[in-house]
Amino acid sequence: SQTIHQWPATLVQPVGSPLSLECTVEGTSNPNLYWYRQAAGRGLQLLFYSVGIGQISSEVPQNLSASRPQDRQFILSSKKLLLSDSGFYLCAWSRTAGELFFGEGSRLTVL
Amino acid sequence: GQQLNQSPQSMFIQEGEDVSMNCTSSSIFNTWLWYKQDPGEGPVLLIALYKAGELTSNGRLTAQFGITRKDSFLNISASIPSDVGIYFCAGHTGNQFYFGTGTSLTVIP
Repeated sequence: SQTIHQWPATLVQPVGSPLSLECTVEGTSNPNLYWYRQAAGRGLQLLFYSVGIGQISSEVPQNLSASRPQDRQFILSSKKLLLSDSGFYLCAWSRTAGELFFGEGSRLTVL
Repeated sequence: GQQLNQSPQSMFIQEGEDVSMNCTSSSIFNTWLWYKQDPGEGPVLLIALYKAGELTSNGRLTAQFGITRKDSFLNISASIPSDVGIYFCAGHTGNQFYFGTGTSLTVIP
């Protein structure tokens, strides 16, 4: 069966520090991969998605970047965090049938 | 990105009552999805709908894909305390997923 994991679960970082959130999917090949940010008001904002290795589409211009170095690995990064980057980050994967599966989430607090 | 219209925004119900929530869109979708999210965790997929008119059940949950492909509803029968959480709808087309704003469900024992 397929599983998705992301880490770390919780992160507290100072303003201006770098960020790396990692996500891996097991049990499937060539998945579409997504990074979302969820604000306190519940809305899910798509940040990046990828349909293959090295292929990244950015939905919102911002302080973040994404990379897909391997088929089942998706990384969310920042060189210098801003206060506004705080939030709950969710990695997800989908298959062609149209189902989307989320990871456990990563809570980022920028101080 | 596009957001779906999900209602109601919140519900407070007595244990044992039935619950109904729905989502509407101005766009047509190929798939409708319903999720439940507990605090501090990722959304969990409850039901996936693939065809217009499709009615699917998962235990006490029933969901339908609207005939126009622009709407969907989720019903929960005989609610229990563990049904508490935020429920999201999502529509899928191409490589994109569009989400509702969520329905917060509180079940009073």
